[in-house]
This record gives sequence, structure tokens and C-alpha cells, in this order.
Amino acid sequence: DAKTTQPPSMDCAEGRAANLPCNHSTISGNEYVYWYRQIHSQGPQYIIHGLKNNETNEMASLIITEDRKSSTLILPHATLRDTAVYYCIVRVANGPSSASKIIFGSGTRLSIRP
Amino acid sequence: DTAVSQTPKYLVTQMGNDKSIKCEQNLGHDTMYWYKQDSKKFLKIMFSYNNKELIINETVPNRFSPKSPDKAHLNLHINSLELGDSAVYFCASSQGRTGYGYTFGSGTRLTVV
Repeated sequence: DAKTTQPPSMDCAEGRAANLPCNHSTISGNEYVYWYRQIHSQGPQYIIHGLKNNETNEMASLIITEDRKSSTLILPHATLRDTAVYYCIVRVANGPSSASKIIFGSGTRLSIRP
Repeated sequence: DTAVSQTPKYLVTQMGNDKSIKCEQNLGHDTMYWYKQDSKKFLKIMFSYNNKELIINETVPNRFSPKSPDKAHLNLHINSLELGDSAVYFCASSQGRTGYGYTFGSGTRLTVV
């Protein structure tokens, strides 16, 4: 799986858009970008994923650059409850058994200030 | 109606003891996982089962033995507990082997004293 690079920490004002960057310059053509987050003392939570097109759901938007070497997760109106560690993960969608796993890096600790 | 439930939520035990953590999912998923999160907050996969078949077995001491009686349950048994086993253990499930839609339990905080 391709390696991802994320800033260790960021902060954002409540009500503003939080933009979390992720670099994945060695991504392969069949690898997807996935985002998860972990709120303190809870299990990780799936947010969104995409291959090359921008994606949006009720939680967030995912913007992937045309060369697919980087992406940005956007939380449009951040609230205090969005304070969490956000993980950007790259892997194939349906690989062999050995690839059937999500590998978490160190992520970005996002703090939302009132 | 919890999707992925783990028991117990907290477990404090002495070194050398044997303990088990149970996990159950009611999502109808066919794949389940055990992850370990240590004090530095790194999440590392330990095991994965697909339809009761072990498909991922990372470099984990033999003292850790997963068991999946059916595809809705994945238990973790740990023998001869050591101080370094102290961590939060998360169970997760997914449908198939895709990378999205993992649902995690709330974790079991294991403290070995």
C-alpha cells in the first residue's frame, strides 16, 4: 500500500471549513483514498473514500488532485465534535487476502476551537 | 442495537493470567478484525477472519489466539499476559475485503499490572 503523509496537527475555528491535506505521491492506479477519524476514547469511524473523482457525503467532501498524488478532506462547517485524529489511508479496493486490511498511520490531530 | 460490541470495556489483570475479549457484530458482515492501539496511539492490525477463516495473521506473539465460532463473532484469547500487552484492543467488521465501511467497536482497555 502507498505511504501517506499528513501534518501531525491542525486547528480550525468552529463553524469554519476544516481542510485536511494528505500526500500520497506513490499511489497506484488501482488504489483508493480512504479517510477515517478517531474521536478520543472511541473506535475509528469511516468518513469517505474515492478513486479519482471528488466525492461528497453527509459527513465530508473529498477532493483528489488530477494526478492523484494528493487529496484534501473537507469538513464544511466544523463543530467541536469534529475534534479527532483523522487518518488518510491508501490501498486497493479488493486485493488478495493479505491486502484485506486497513493500515493506520499517525494521522492529523484536528482541534476545533470555539 | 450496537453494531459492533466488545466485552468487557475495561479489564485489569495481573501478569501471567489468561484472559479473553469477546466481540460480536450484528451488521451481517463477513469479515472481522482485531486491532491493537498502544500507548503511543498507533493502531496496528493483529488478525482478520473472513467467514470464519483466518486470512490475516500479523506478527503477533503465539500467546494471542483468535477464535471465530461464526462470522458474527471474533474472540481474542491472551495467555500469560505481560505488561507490554497493556493497550486498547478494537474489534472491527466489514463486508468483504474493501477498505471502506469498517465499523469499529468501542474498544477494550486492557491493563496488566
